[in-house]
Amino acid sequence: EDQVTQSPEALRLQEGESSSLNCSYTVSGLRGLFWYRQDPGKGPEFLFTLYSAGEEKEKERLKATLTKKESFLHITAPKPEDSATYLCAVQGNYGQNFVFGPGTRLSVLP
Amino acid sequence: EAEVAQSPRYKITEKSQAVAFWCDPISGHATLYWYRQILGQGPELLVQFQDESVVDDSQLPKDRFSAERLKGVDSTLKIQPAELGDSAMYLCASSTRGGRGDTQYFGPGTRLTVL
Repeated sequence: EDQVTQSPEALRLQEGESSSLNCSYTVSGLRGLFWYRQDPGKGPEFLFTLYSAGEEKEKERLKATLTKKESFLHITAPKPEDSATYLCAVQGNYGQNFVFGPGTRLSVLP
Repeated sequence: EAEVAQSPRYKITEKSQAVAFWCDPISGHATLYWYRQILGQGPELLVQFQDESVVDDSQLPKDRFSAERLKGVDSTLKIQPAELGDSAMYLCASSTRGGRGDTQYFGPGTRLTVL
């Protein structure tokens, strides 16, 4: 059974204080790993797709990396508007469905 | 930019009543998903459509939930009767074909409160 865990559950940063969020997964063959951002009361907003170990993708202050067992979302010099819940999901080889982790709640204080 | 549309955004109902949610996917997207998200948790798949056909409804509580996508475009999710434990965010997502690494795009969701 595909499983996804995320850590930490919640993270508080000062503006400009860089950090990383972790997504650990167990899957029978990885078809894709997806990162989403979710603001309170809204639907998840797509950020990145990673397909194979060693792959990296960047967007503004965010950088996602992937190994065979986990993915990291690095946030460089965050701003208060980066405050949100960040969700990780995996798609395995034996199904089309996404399995989501519980998310990391990020707060960036000015 | 194309978006997934959902309505209503909020719904308050009493237990034992019927509720219905509507979703219009991104134009041209053949695959449509309904998820349920409980506060503090990740979304969980309820049902997946490929065009007008259900391809996975293994997690759909079929005694009270039903979903349809009659013409392979928009979709309706119904709960009858609603129970207190159904209070959650109901999310609709769509993707082009639902294949390998195919990104799912989400709508704004419907927040359901059952009293």
